[in-house]
Amino acid sequence: GQNIDQPTEMTATEGAIVQINCTYQTSGFNGLFWYQQHAGEAPTFLSYNVLDGLEEKGRFSSFLSRSKGYSYLLLKELQMKDSASYLCAVPNTGGFKTIFGAGTRLFVKA
Amino acid sequence: GAVVSQHPSWVICKSGTSVKIECRSLDFQATTMFWYRQFPKQSLMLMATSNEGSKATYEQGVEKDKFLINHASLTLSTLTVTSAHPEDSSFYICSASFGTASGHEQFFGPGTRLTVL
Repeated sequence: GQNIDQPTEMTATEGAIVQINCTYQTSGFNGLFWYQQHAGEAPTFLSYNVLDGLEEKGRFSSFLSRSKGYSYLLLKELQMKDSASYLCAVPNTGGFKTIFGAGTRLFVKA
Repeated sequence: GAVVSQHPSWVICKSGTSVKIECRSLDFQATTMFWYRQFPKQSLMLMATSNEGSKATYEQGVEKDKFLINHASLTLSTLTVTSAHPEDSSFYICSASFGTASGHEQFFGPGTRLTVL
């Protein structure tokens, strides 16, 4: 089976850096997604990692270690609008559908 | 980027009635569409996967006779909640992807908030 773990909630200060961790267990691996979801809205795509290492995209970066079953999303220069849930997701072993973690609710305070 | 629309964005209905939600890919052909349900402060729960022209594949615990899915074309999938009850009140989100290969990004619709009185 597949399992995804990520912290339930995190709080950080505006302008700071925050790292949201995700660990996963899968029988196969077809990449890992991060999505952002604001309350009452649908998720929006942030990143997709299939190879080990860090991928940077503006203020957001995503890291993957396949051997450790571990990923993190790094948010720099936090802004109030970054307050949202961040979902870690992996395609299932068949690669046909995506399994989502419970999400990490990030609160950015002034 | 690829755009997915949903209609309606919100609906309130009486218990026992049926509600249809449409999901459309506006600028691409979606070979696969997914339907999710999300309760407050919880993550997305996949309900079913649908492919154009074939029957939907439902997740364990999802009643196929209650949640009817039709994927009539490469740009349209519909979810009908039949004989809705208050416990069906939730946020329903569809997504679409290209092809069936692994690692394909999903494009989400804006969601439909269903309230059953």
